[in-house]
Amino acid sequence: AQTVTQSQPEMSVQEAETVTLSCTYDTSESDYYLFWYKQPPSRQMILVIRQEAYKQQNATENRFSVNFQKAAKSFSLKISDSQLGDAAMYFCAYGYNAGNMLTFGGGTRLMVKP
Amino acid sequence: GAGVSQSPSNKVTEKGKDVELRCDPISGHTALYWYRQSLGQGLEFLIYFQGNSAPDKSGLPSDRFSAERTGGSVSTLTIQRTQQEDSAVYLCASTRSGPYNSPLHFGNGTRLTVT
Repeated sequence: AQTVTQSQPEMSVQEAETVTLSCTYDTSESDYYLFWYKQPPSRQMILVIRQEAYKQQNATENRFSVNFQKAAKSFSLKISDSQLGDAAMYFCAYGYNAGNMLTFGGGTRLMVKP
Repeated sequence: GAGVSQSPSNKVTEKGKDVELRCDPISGHTALYWYRQSLGQGLEFLIYFQGNSAPDKSGLPSDRFSAERTGGSVSTLTIQRTQQEDSAVYLCASTRSGPYNSPLHFGNGTRLTVT
């Protein structure tokens, strides 16, 4: 079974600085997708960034980028120039191409200090 | 708005009672998911509907849980004879096709408290 592990229950960052959230996963599949979702206090989950496993290039969305290390099964999220609105729970998720659903990690609560 | 709508937003029920949670997905989205989020935990997959195909019920924790999706749109998650361990936020999500090429759109969830 696939598992997703986020080893940092909480992280904090100073506004305007950079923070990296860790995620590791376990799978025997070669064709899969990885995601970071953000859950602000409103509870509504929002997709932050998506990575296809067959692509070697790391995905980037504005201030958000990932470090995808396929051999190490690691998928970290880097947030640059952190803003107060970045404060939220961040969930790493995995889905394999023949499957139906995403497997989520336990989440990392990010606090942003002004 | 045109987002995923869930109702009620909060539900308090007594142990042993049945509850129904409702999800209105985004119009045109063929795939619908139910997840459960316990306090401080990640998301636990419950059930998946895709078009007219048989649902994937592999995540339902017991036979007290059931879900249906009528007309390929609205979905209802039913929990019979609720237990305290059922207390959690129940999240519904929909997507245009599968979860990989189009993002999951989540509702705000229903917070269920079983007393």
